[in-house]
Amino acid sequence: GAVVSQHPSRVICKSGTSVKIECRSLDFQATTMFWYRQFPKQSLMLMATSNEGSKATYEQGVEKDKFLINHASLTLSTLTVTSAHPEDSSFYICSARDPGQRWGNEKLFFGSGTQLSVL
Amino acid sequence: KQEVTQIPAALSVPEGENLVLNCSFTDSAIYNLQWFRQDPGKGLTSLLLIQSSQREQTSGRLNASLDKSSGRSTLYIAASQPGDSATYLCAALIQGAQKLVFGQGTRLTINP
Repeated sequence: GAVVSQHPSRVICKSGTSVKIECRSLDFQATTMFWYRQFPKQSLMLMATSNEGSKATYEQGVEKDKFLINHASLTLSTLTVTSAHPEDSSFYICSARDPGQRWGNEKLFFGSGTQLSVL
Repeated sequence: KQEVTQIPAALSVPEGENLVLNCSFTDSAIYNLQWFRQDPGKGLTSLLLIQSSQREQTSGRLNASLDKSSGRSTLYIAASQPGDSATYLCAALIQGAQKLVFGQGTRLTINP
């Protein structure tokens, strides 16, 4: 099946620094990728939808300037947490859909997640 | 606004038992309903996807059902094994908005 690679798997940083997380589709071209955030023992909350070659669509309450998303190619989307603070500590997961399948028929493929800890 | 709820939040059963996990959603306007497995600190693995026009899907020891009219889905696990221990998430793909809405998950522990 399709594979989505996410890096890094874990990152620890100081407050005020920026952190970049990469999400790659390895064997298909993903025109659309999704970024989720998950707090401990809670469900995944969609942060934004990343579209190749255009601006990302952010969910209500998600700060665009805080969470920068770039989808510059058909196989790579990046999420940059700018000026990270301890409250940004969370598990971030990306997913991608294979555009070869009709919406509603396909499974989404998920990355392995990134655990961000801001000190 | 679509809301997805999973009950129970946690479940612990002896190895070998059959079990059912429940998922309910408030808006029946969905493309499909998906079940995922998540191991601690890991991403999601897709288990089963049920189209809105279908009533159930099976894969090995797993069977998922969907009743759109009542807004419910169940995941049945037969002959549970310790390796089945994980958090199970259901998610509804919303029509129009085209996004997945997840439940809170059921944390399953199978005791040897």
